[in-house]
Amino acid sequence: EVQLVESGGGLVQPGRSLKLSCLASGFTFSNYGMNWIRQAPGKGLEWVASISSSSSYIYYADTVKGRFTISRDNAKNTLYLQMTSLRSEDTALYYCARRIIRGPFDYWGQGVMVTVSS
Amino acid sequence: DIQMTQSPPSLSASLGDKVTITCQASQNINKYIAWYQQKPGKAPRLLIRYTSTLESGTPSRFSGSGSGRDYSFSISNVESEDIASYYCLQYDNLPYTFGAGTKLELK
Repeated sequence: EVQLVESGGGLVQPGRSLKLSCLASGFTFSNYGMNWIRQAPGKGLEWVASISSSSSYIYYADTVKGRFTISRDNAKNTLYLQMTSLRSEDTALYYCARRIIRGPFDYWGQGVMVTVSS
Repeated sequence: DIQMTQSPPSLSASLGDKVTITCQASQNINKYIAWYQQKPGKAPRLLIRYTSTLESGTPSRFSGSGSGRDYSFSISNVESEDIASYYCLQYDNLPYTFGAGTKLELK
């Protein structure tokens, strides 16, 4: 069974940093591209960042470019999102999601909440 | 960036009704559209990929169609378990973009 479990969220002050993790199981992690997608409270879904299976290709939404860094450790079956210079508008539930080449996000974690507030 | 205009924002239906949601892309997305269902407090669930391909476990009352810029998603014979929000996603081009969502409620 495919499982994605996010961790590392919490309450953080504006301008500070936070690192999210997503532990994958039930599939060969190194064969899949991975993504972070977020959802602000009561709002819709926003794709945040994408990393290819071997980390060769990395992409970011303009709203986080230069502040967030996506990475992965295939030996540990773990996806990361390093978030710096956090803003109130980054407050959201952050999901990690799997994606095959030319496919949609097929499996999602349960999400981890990040709240940016003083 | 490709904009996905999803309508309606909300929908009220009776059990057994047929409902349809549309998504219009700002440019041709070559059928690379997916549809998700999200229930409160849960992660989105992929229902349909590549316009009309049902995922394993997606009931046959769900369907999708379209081409070019215009796509639709339908539920025939709405059941109580279908009460949720629905989102379209274009995955033809980066940045991947979602529609704003449609909240389906019971009349």
